[in-house]
Amino acid sequence: NAGVTQTPKFQVLKTGQSMTLQCAQDMNHNSMYWYRQDPGMGLRLIYYSASEGTTDKGEVPNGYNVSRLNKREFSLRLESAAPSQTSVYFCASSELWDSTTDTQYFGPGTRLTVL
Amino acid sequence: AQSVTQPDIHITVSEGASLELRCNYSYGATPYLFWYVQSPGQGLQLLLKYFSGDTLVQGIKGFEAEFKRSQSSFNLRKPSVHWSDAAEYFCAANFGNEKLTFGTGTRLTIIP
Repeated sequence: NAGVTQTPKFQVLKTGQSMTLQCAQDMNHNSMYWYRQDPGMGLRLIYYSASEGTTDKGEVPNGYNVSRLNKREFSLRLESAAPSQTSVYFCASSELWDSTTDTQYFGPGTRLTVL
Repeated sequence: AQSVTQPDIHITVSEGASLELRCNYSYGATPYLFWYVQSPGQGLQLLLKYFSGDTLVQGIKGFEAEFKRSQSSFNLRKPSVHWSDAAEYFCAANFGNEKLTFGTGTRLTIIP
């Protein structure tokens, strides 16, 4: 059981370039999430997918798009990267969306630098 | 507004000493509370969680947390820290809207 996996681990982009961050989970979870982590700000939710086929905006969605490709995979796309998107990105998954007590499991993160 | 506050950005303790990391929340009711740990270069791992019942919660790696309604707090404790406990610790809460709100984190340094 690999849990939640993310690729790539590191990425450097130039302003205006695009890229897709990949996330996959093998726990048969229904819900998946993308967060960004910035110094002094904790984790902030970018987008989430409560179940396969649905996606919704989180706290900081501007500049990002997501795709829930299937139950296992949830990708995050930056269409035109900006220096403000320099951050560490975490993907997470949980079994249920409508359970406030459910545990989220996190991937190891992608460290993105935009020059 | 609903929020989670971790007042200590950085704490340094000696190996073998006791540890307490503070977490406060702002909410009219009792939220569901979590503590996560992030080791360097790793993702977040759940240490423990509180939903209801006994206000003292036991977690993994010898950690425990106590919920105090009167103080709106959920502080994390460990009686004797090990060098491997050096990490960043995040308190998080679910305020009933299916989303986790995280505190800003506390970085723990252990000195020999």
